[in-house]
Amino acid sequence: AQSVTQLDSHVSVSEGTPVLLRCNYSSSYSPSLFWYVQHPNKGLQLLLKYTSAATLVKGINGFEAEFKKSETSFHLTKPSAHMSDAAEYFCVVSDTAAGNKLTFGGGTRVLVKP
Amino acid sequence: EADIYQTPRYLVIGTGKKITLECSQTMGHDKMYWYQQDPGMELHLIHYSYGVNSTEKGDLSSESTVSRIRTEHFPLTLESARPSHTSQYLCASSEYGGTDQETQYFGPGTRLLVL
Repeated sequence: AQSVTQLDSHVSVSEGTPVLLRCNYSSSYSPSLFWYVQHPNKGLQLLLKYTSAATLVKGINGFEAEFKKSETSFHLTKPSAHMSDAAEYFCVVSDTAAGNKLTFGGGTRVLVKP
Repeated sequence: EADIYQTPRYLVIGTGKKITLECSQTMGHDKMYWYQQDPGMELHLIHYSYGVNSTEKGDLSSESTVSRIRTEHFPLTLESARPSHTSQYLCASSEYGGTDQETQYFGPGTRLLVL
Protein backbone atom coordinates (compact mmCIF):
# COMPACT_ATOMS: atom_id res chain seq x y z
CA ALA A 1 0.00 0.00 0.00
CA GLN A 2 1.17 3.51 -0.72
CA SER A 3 0.90 6.50 1.56
CA VAL A 4 2.01 10.11 1.73
CA THR A 5 2.79 12.22 4.78
CA GLN A 6 3.11 15.98 4.58
CA LEU A 7 4.96 16.90 7.71
CA ASP A 8 3.58 20.43 8.10
CA SER A 9 -0.09 21.28 7.90
CA HIS A 10 0.71 25.03 7.82
CA VAL A 11 3.79 26.96 6.73
CA SER A 12 4.17 30.71 7.14
CA VAL A 13 6.93 32.62 5.31
CA SER A 14 7.75 36.21 4.54
CA GLU A 15 7.70 37.39 0.95
CA GLY A 16 11.12 36.99 -0.62
CA THR A 17 12.27 34.24 1.74
CA PRO A 18 12.67 30.54 0.87
CA VAL A 19 9.82 28.06 1.08
CA LEU A 20 10.23 24.42 2.10
CA LEU A 21 7.31 21.98 2.08
CA ARG A 22 8.17 18.53 3.36
CA CYS A 23 6.79 15.27 2.03
CA ASN A 24 7.58 11.65 2.84
CA TYR A 25 6.08 8.71 1.01
CA SER A 26 5.88 4.95 1.14
CA SER A 27 5.34 2.82 -1.92
CA SER A 28 5.84 -0.81 -2.84
CA TYR A 29 7.59 -0.18 -6.13
CA SER A 30 9.11 2.72 -7.99
CA PRO A 31 6.58 5.48 -7.58
CA SER A 32 5.72 8.55 -9.54
CA LEU A 33 5.49 11.62 -7.33
CA PHE A 34 3.70 14.89 -7.90
CA TRP A 35 3.14 18.24 -6.28
CA TYR A 36 -0.17 19.98 -6.96
CA VAL A 37 -1.22 23.46 -5.84
CA GLN A 38 -4.78 24.52 -5.05
CA HIS A 39 -5.61 28.21 -4.80
CA PRO A 40 -8.78 29.22 -2.97
CA ASN A 41 -11.93 28.19 -4.82
CA LYS A 42 -9.86 26.72 -7.67
CA GLY A 43 -9.09 23.22 -8.89
CA LEU A 44 -5.72 21.53 -8.58
CA GLN A 45 -2.86 22.63 -10.79
CA LEU A 46 0.15 20.41 -11.45
CA LEU A 47 3.38 22.04 -10.23
CA LEU A 48 5.82 19.28 -11.10
CA LYS A 49 6.25 15.52 -11.27
CA TYR A 50 8.95 12.90 -10.81
CA THR A 51 8.80 9.75 -12.95
CA SER A 52 12.19 8.03 -12.48
CA ALA A 53 14.23 10.40 -14.60
CA ALA A 54 16.32 13.18 -13.01
CA THR A 55 15.98 13.29 -9.24
CA LEU A 56 15.86 17.09 -9.16
CA VAL A 57 12.66 18.18 -10.83
CA LYS A 58 11.91 21.72 -11.87
CA GLY A 59 8.33 22.87 -12.07
CA ILE A 60 6.32 25.95 -12.81
CA ASN A 61 6.48 29.26 -10.94
CA GLY A 62 10.06 28.67 -9.73
CA PHE A 63 9.30 25.58 -7.67
CA GLU A 64 11.50 22.50 -7.63
CA ALA A 65 11.56 19.21 -5.76
CA GLU A 66 14.22 16.60 -5.09
CA PHE A 67 13.49 12.88 -5.02
CA LYS A 68 15.58 11.12 -2.36
CA LYS A 69 14.96 7.40 -2.43
CA SER A 70 17.12 6.69 0.63
CA GLU A 71 15.03 9.10 2.67
CA THR A 72 11.72 8.34 0.88
CA SER A 73 11.25 12.08 0.58
CA PHE A 74 10.11 14.49 -2.11
CA HIS A 75 10.38 17.95 -0.55
CA LEU A 76 9.21 21.03 -2.47
CA THR A 77 11.24 24.24 -2.42
CA LYS A 78 11.24 27.72 -3.84
CA PRO A 79 14.10 30.18 -3.25
CA SER A 80 11.94 33.29 -2.91
CA ALA A 81 8.26 33.29 -1.98
CA HIS A 82 5.77 35.53 -3.72
CA MET A 83 2.41 36.64 -2.40
CA SER A 84 0.74 34.63 -5.17
CA ASP A 85 2.24 31.44 -3.71
CA ALA A 86 -0.26 31.53 -0.86
CA ALA A 87 -2.29 28.36 -1.44
CA GLU A 88 -2.64 24.74 -0.38
CA TYR A 89 -0.06 22.28 -1.67
CA PHE A 90 -0.56 18.55 -2.02
CA CYS A 91 2.13 15.90 -2.34
CA VAL A 92 0.83 12.92 -4.30
CA VAL A 93 2.16 9.43 -5.05
CA SER A 94 1.14 7.19 -7.94
CA ASP A 95 2.14 3.56 -8.20
CA THR A 96 1.75 1.28 -11.20
CA ALA A 97 1.11 -1.59 -8.77
CA ALA A 98 -1.93 0.36 -7.56
CA GLY A 99 -3.27 0.91 -11.06
CA ASN A 100 -1.79 4.41 -11.23
CA LYS A 101 -4.20 5.55 -8.54
CA LEU A 102 -3.21 8.74 -6.82
CA THR A 103 -2.79 8.90 -3.06
CA PHE A 104 -2.85 12.41 -1.64
CA GLY A 105 -1.08 13.82 1.38
CA GLY A 106 -3.04 15.85 3.88
CA GLY A 107 -1.96 19.14 2.33
CA THR A 108 0.16 22.06 3.52
CA ARG A 109 -1.37 25.50 3.65
CA VAL A 110 1.15 28.22 2.83
CA LEU A 111 0.73 31.74 4.16
CA VAL A 112 2.97 34.47 2.69
CA LYS A 113 3.42 37.58 4.80
CA PRO A 114 4.31 40.90 3.17
CA GLU B 1 -3.91 24.92 -18.79
CA ALA B 2 -5.88 21.66 -18.78
CA ASP B 3 -9.04 21.45 -20.90
CA ILE B 4 -11.33 19.89 -18.35
CA TYR B 5 -14.57 21.53 -17.31
CA GLN B 6 -17.04 21.10 -14.52
CA THR B 7 -20.52 22.50 -14.10
CA PRO B 8 -22.02 23.85 -12.03
CA ARG B 9 -19.19 25.46 -10.06
CA TYR B 10 -21.45 26.01 -7.07
CA LEU B 11 -24.73 24.32 -6.16
CA VAL B 12 -27.02 24.83 -3.19
CA ILE B 13 -29.88 22.35 -3.08
CA GLY B 14 -32.43 20.92 -0.67
CA THR B 15 -32.41 17.47 0.86
CA GLY B 16 -33.92 14.73 -1.30
CA LYS B 17 -33.26 16.37 -4.65
CA LYS B 18 -31.60 14.50 -7.50
CA ILE B 19 -28.49 16.21 -8.84
CA THR B 20 -26.00 15.59 -11.61
CA LEU B 21 -22.53 17.09 -11.62
CA GLU B 22 -21.12 17.45 -15.10
CA CYS B 23 -17.51 16.86 -16.15
CA SER B 24 -16.13 17.02 -19.64
CA GLN B 25 -12.65 17.05 -21.15
CA THR B 26 -11.42 17.84 -24.63
CA MET B 27 -8.01 16.17 -24.38
CA GLY B 28 -9.16 12.77 -25.64
CA HIS B 29 -8.15 11.12 -22.37
CA ASP B 30 -9.44 7.62 -21.73
CA LYS B 31 -9.22 7.64 -17.94
CA MET B 32 -11.41 9.89 -15.84
CA TYR B 33 -11.84 10.24 -12.09
CA TRP B 34 -14.08 11.79 -9.44
CA TYR B 35 -12.65 12.90 -6.11
CA GLN B 36 -14.37 14.22 -3.00
CA GLN B 37 -12.64 16.85 -0.90
CA ASP B 38 -13.95 18.14 2.42
CA PRO B 39 -12.74 21.61 3.47
CA GLY B 40 -9.09 21.62 4.47
CA MET B 41 -8.72 17.92 3.78
CA GLU B 42 -7.04 15.71 1.20
CA LEU B 43 -8.80 14.31 -1.85
CA HIS B 44 -10.39 10.89 -1.81
CA LEU B 45 -11.13 8.90 -4.98
CA ILE B 46 -14.81 7.94 -5.25
CA HIS B 47 -15.14 6.79 -8.88
CA TYR B 48 -13.00 6.21 -11.95
CA SER B 49 -13.29 5.00 -15.50
CA TYR B 50 -10.83 3.42 -17.93
CA GLY B 51 -12.91 4.39 -20.95
CA VAL B 52 -16.38 4.21 -22.49
CA ASN B 53 -18.72 1.85 -20.61
CA SER B 54 -16.14 1.36 -17.85
CA THR B 55 -16.87 2.56 -14.30
CA GLU B 56 -15.24 1.52 -11.05
CA LYS B 57 -15.68 2.47 -7.41
CA GLY B 58 -12.80 4.25 -5.75
CA ASP B 59 -11.26 4.05 -2.32
CA LEU B 60 -13.93 6.07 -0.51
CA SER B 61 -17.44 4.69 -0.38
CA SER B 62 -19.95 7.02 -2.00
CA GLU B 63 -23.70 6.96 -2.57
CA SER B 64 -23.18 8.64 -5.92
CA THR B 65 -23.16 6.88 -9.29
CA VAL B 66 -21.35 7.65 -12.54
CA SER B 67 -21.70 6.81 -16.21
CA ARG B 68 -19.33 6.91 -19.19
CA ILE B 69 -21.27 6.84 -22.43
CA ARG B 70 -18.87 9.15 -24.27
CA THR B 71 -15.11 9.47 -23.90
CA GLU B 72 -15.24 13.16 -23.12
CA HIS B 73 -18.09 13.07 -20.60
CA PHE B 74 -18.18 11.59 -17.05
CA PRO B 75 -21.20 12.82 -15.07
CA LEU B 76 -21.76 12.05 -11.40
CA THR B 77 -25.30 11.64 -10.02
CA LEU B 78 -26.77 11.73 -6.54
CA GLU B 79 -30.30 10.29 -6.61
CA SER B 80 -31.30 11.88 -3.29
CA ALA B 81 -29.01 14.53 -1.88
CA ARG B 82 -28.40 14.70 1.88
CA PRO B 83 -26.50 17.20 4.04
CA SER B 84 -23.71 14.60 4.45
CA HIS B 85 -23.05 14.98 0.70
CA THR B 86 -21.94 18.59 1.22
CA SER B 87 -18.41 18.73 -0.10
CA GLN B 88 -16.27 19.72 -3.06
CA TYR B 89 -16.22 17.32 -5.98
CA LEU B 90 -13.23 17.36 -8.33
CA CYS B 91 -13.07 15.67 -11.71
CA ALA B 92 -9.79 14.65 -13.36
CA SER B 93 -8.57 12.86 -16.46
CA SER B 94 -5.39 11.19 -17.69
CA GLU B 95 -4.06 9.31 -20.68
CA TYR B 96 -4.23 5.54 -20.70
CA GLY B 97 -1.05 3.84 -21.82
CA GLY B 98 0.46 7.02 -23.16
CA THR B 99 3.78 8.54 -22.19
CA ASP B 100 2.05 10.81 -19.70
CA GLN B 101 -0.32 8.24 -18.27
CA GLU B 102 0.31 9.00 -14.62
CA THR B 103 -0.42 12.71 -14.79
CA GLN B 104 -3.97 13.61 -13.88
CA TYR B 105 -5.39 16.96 -14.91
CA PHE B 106 -8.06 18.45 -12.71
CA GLY B 107 -11.14 20.50 -13.34
CA PRO B 108 -12.03 23.54 -11.21
CA GLY B 109 -14.38 21.56 -8.98
CA THR B 110 -18.03 21.78 -7.92
CA ARG B 111 -18.83 23.00 -4.43
CA LEU B 112 -22.05 21.32 -3.28
CA LEU B 113 -24.09 22.46 -0.29
CA VAL B 114 -27.10 20.37 0.67
CA LEU B 115 -29.48 22.04 3.08
